[in-house]
Amino acid sequence: QKEVEQDPGPLSVPEGAIVSLNCTYSNSAFQYFMWYRQYSRKGPELLMYTYSSGNKEDGRFTAQVDKSSKYISLFIRDSQPSDSATYLCAMSPRGSGGSNYKLTFGKGTLLTVNP
Amino acid sequence: EAQVTQNPRYLITVTGKKLTVTCSQNMNHEYMSWYRQDPGLGLRQIYYSMNVEVTDKGDVPEGYKVSRKEKRNFPLILESPSPNQTSLYFCASSLYRGPSTDTQYFGPGTRLTVL
Repeated sequence: QKEVEQDPGPLSVPEGAIVSLNCTYSNSAFQYFMWYRQYSRKGPELLMYTYSSGNKEDGRFTAQVDKSSKYISLFIRDSQPSDSATYLCAMSPRGSGGSNYKLTFGKGTLLTVNP
Repeated sequence: EAQVTQNPRYLITVTGKKLTVTCSQNMNHEYMSWYRQDPGLGLRQIYYSMNVEVTDKGDVPEGYKVSRKEKRNFPLILESPSPNQTSLYFCASSLYRGPSTDTQYFGPGTRLTVL
């Protein structure tokens, strides 16, 4: 089993839809959870960051972490065509030294929001 | 403008011909990292550097070298490139504590083809 699993999609939704993106993981040491957004032909950019379990909201975006299930989610409300991109989850273990400097990424989910 | 720059953006080369991909950041960041992105495999970390003269291996370091002689620069060296190193490469940086806790900024990417 890979450390981080993410459905690559593609996922196509109409404008205004609620989008749910998910990742599962196997390493119980992961404590830091991130979502990156990558537009075509661009580098990834950090979208959301969560430490340990719980929810975090930022505008139309909500990140959820369920450590008991080893499952993280990103919800996008009122999706817009400008949200069309690849979304990558990333995670890192708690710790000092080297472990805190390494990220493990999911493969990314390609999302298209149709006008 | 705060940014991470990479050069070249596109490169086609032949097996065995040494090459260097440069990376530079103007944000006074201590942490820098190199990733490669491949279809079906996602984003994988090659090497990272916590500060000047301090580097460590990521998940896929074989066939690559790095150096960090100055804070702003973190070149990626392929001593003897092979076709399996054909990929999209990203350089990234973050302020101090690494990508788990500090926002990581990515460069625009270098598309490398090794024939």
